[in-house]
Amino acid sequence: DAKTTQPTSMDCAEGRAANLPCNHSTISGNEYVYWYRQIHSQGPQYIIHGLKNNETNEMASLIITEDRKSSTLILPHATLRDTAVYYCIVRVAAGANNLFFGTGTRLTVIP
Amino acid sequence: NAGVTQTPKFQVLKTGQSMTLQCAQDMNHEYMSWYRQDPGMGLRLIHYSVGAGITDQGEVPNGYNVSRSTTEDFPLRLLSAAPSQTSVYFCASFLDIWAAGTEAFFGQGTRLTVV
Repeated sequence: DAKTTQPTSMDCAEGRAANLPCNHSTISGNEYVYWYRQIHSQGPQYIIHGLKNNETNEMASLIITEDRKSSTLILPHATLRDTAVYYCIVRVAAGANNLFFGTGTRLTVIP
Repeated sequence: NAGVTQTPKFQVLKTGQSMTLQCAQDMNHEYMSWYRQDPGMGLRLIHYSVGAGITDQGEVPNGYNVSRSTTEDFPLRLLSAAPSQTSVYFCASFLDIWAAGTEAFFGQGTRLTVV
């Protein structure tokens, strides 16, 4: 599985959009980009995933560059409850036996 | 649907004691796994199972045993607890690792302290 690079920490004002970048320059054509978050020592929570098209769900949007070497998770209106560690993961869909969690980005939403 | 349930939530062990961390899921997921998370670090895979009767080692398997006799349950056994096993343990399950875009469901964790 390809490795990812994320900033260690970010701040975002409450009500503003939070844009969390992720670099995955060695991603393969059959690898998906996943985002999870972990709120204060709880179990990680799935947010969104994509292959090459931009994706949106009720929680967030995922923007993947055309060359797929990087992506951005967007929380459109950050709230205090979005304060968490956000993990960007790339993995092959078929037969994958692991999710490789790095250290993620600690997002702090400021009132 | 309870999802993925881990018990206990907290445990203190003495060095050398053994115990079993329980994990159960009610979603009929084939794939289950155990992770540990140490302070300031990401999750590291201990063991995983792709179905009942099938288990394999992950990144950090030493000191741990697993078995998968049913689809629902995937217990993690500490054979002889050591202080280095002080950590938060998470169990996760996937519906189907062969399906594109399958998300993982995590339990709420077991915080283990070995003294």
